[in-house]
Amino acid sequence: EAQVTQNPRYLITVTGKKLTVTCSQNMNHEYMSWYRQDPGLGLRQIYYSMNVEVTDKGDVPEGYKVSRKEKRNFPLILESPSPNQTSLYFCASSSEHRAKSTGELFFGEGSRLTVL
Amino acid sequence: AQSVTQPDIHITVSEGASLELRCNYSYGATPYLFWYVQSPGQGLQLLLKYFSGDTLVQGIKGFEAEFKRSQSSFNLRKPSVHWSDAAEYFCAVLASGTYKYIFGTGTRLKVLA
Repeated sequence: EAQVTQNPRYLITVTGKKLTVTCSQNMNHEYMSWYRQDPGLGLRQIYYSMNVEVTDKGDVPEGYKVSRKEKRNFPLILESPSPNQTSLYFCASSSEHRAKSTGELFFGEGSRLTVL
Repeated sequence: AQSVTQPDIHITVSEGASLELRCNYSYGATPYLFWYVQSPGQGLQLLLKYFSGDTLVQGIKGFEAEFKRSQSSFNLRKPSVHWSDAAEYFCAVLASGTYKYIFGTGTRLKVLA
């Protein structure tokens, strides 16, 4: 089954404790992206990657890092989480051809992060 | 700057009633336009999209949307709402030739039995 898998789905952590949210897709997609969803703000793009070793900042990259060492994986790293990073995070992917021809994104089920 | 506005935060309709969710965008050229739906606890799923051509597009689950260039709008409609349509709906814009998606703030739909 074609899917985007995020882990963990739920996490409560404390300020300053490094954490990683993993994202993996099994569709051989070139494009992957991270979003955060906050009430009243919709989805905002954090980082995106157009292929292995190619990443770029979205609208709200501060406090986050990403890496794309393999095509299928695109982890989101919070080096020193703060309470304002409490949010619902979504990973999404798309084939380059599909993104340009149809624009359709395939989303994971989300990771709810709480930073105390 | 590109932007997407969904003026209605919450909408409540009775089952069987018609539905229209509003979306206005700001973009220099004709953008690629999308509607996504998010069911509780789920990721987003594409309902429909507009790139060019016929301004009335059909999507899944009986939804349709109409692109009106003069009004910079892309409103989502459904003739008869089902209880299972209760969800949050997002309008999105993709700047052509890029991977830059901009989402609206969402409209949460409640359906009364």
